[in-house]
Amino acid sequence: DVKVTQSSRYLVKRTGEKVFLECVQDMDHENMFWYRQDPGLGLRLIYFSYDVKMKEKGDIPEGYSVSREKKERFSLILESASTNQTSMYLCASSPGQGYNSPLHFGNGTRLTVT
Amino acid sequence: AQSVTQLGSHVSVSEGALVLLRCNYSSSVPPYLFWYVQYPNQGLQLLLKYTTGATLVKGINGFEAEFKKSETSFHLTKPSAHMSDAAEYFCAVRMFSGGYNKLIFGAGTRLAVHP
Repeated sequence: DVKVTQSSRYLVKRTGEKVFLECVQDMDHENMFWYRQDPGLGLRLIYFSYDVKMKEKGDIPEGYSVSREKKERFSLILESASTNQTSMYLCASSPGQGYNSPLHFGNGTRLTVT
Repeated sequence: AQSVTQLGSHVSVSEGALVLLRCNYSSSVPPYLFWYVQYPNQGLQLLLKYTTGATLVKGINGFEAEFKKSETSFHLTKPSAHMSDAAEYFCAVRMFSGGYNKLIFGAGTRLAVHP
């Protein structure tokens, strides 16, 4: 079974802090994604990566950056955390570029910015 | 713009009753469609997917969905609800946008099952 592991289940940070959310997958998937989940809005794509050291902006990249130095690890960075970034963050991975490849999700990191 | 609409943010059914969760999409090309489920404090897991071929797709836990091109719909059904089906359900469509294929999600429908 594919395992996508997010390093923290809950995080509380202060406004202005630099925040790192880590995600690791163990199935050698090429593609990795970061979504945020908010009530009534579903999941919105922040950034994604189709290869090591490659990144592409999703639909809501403002205030975020990412890093993919190794194939199995995809980090989401909040350069200067703000209260409107309080949310559930979900990491996902998938193999290849196929349209029928489902995403495999981690259990999420619930971030609170105070 | 390509999008996914889930009708009804909350649905409540009795145990044993039919479950119907609605999803409509807009896409200029044949879509690849997915339903995911999220149980409390967990990530999303795949229920079923439609790519090509048979329009009635069967998934896990007794769920199925029918792709209707004429109605641009992909509604999720289960004949008899169980208490363990209480969760949030997300419809998603795989689309080609900005040079890459992306998974676009609906806003979700929270299903409550009462005795």
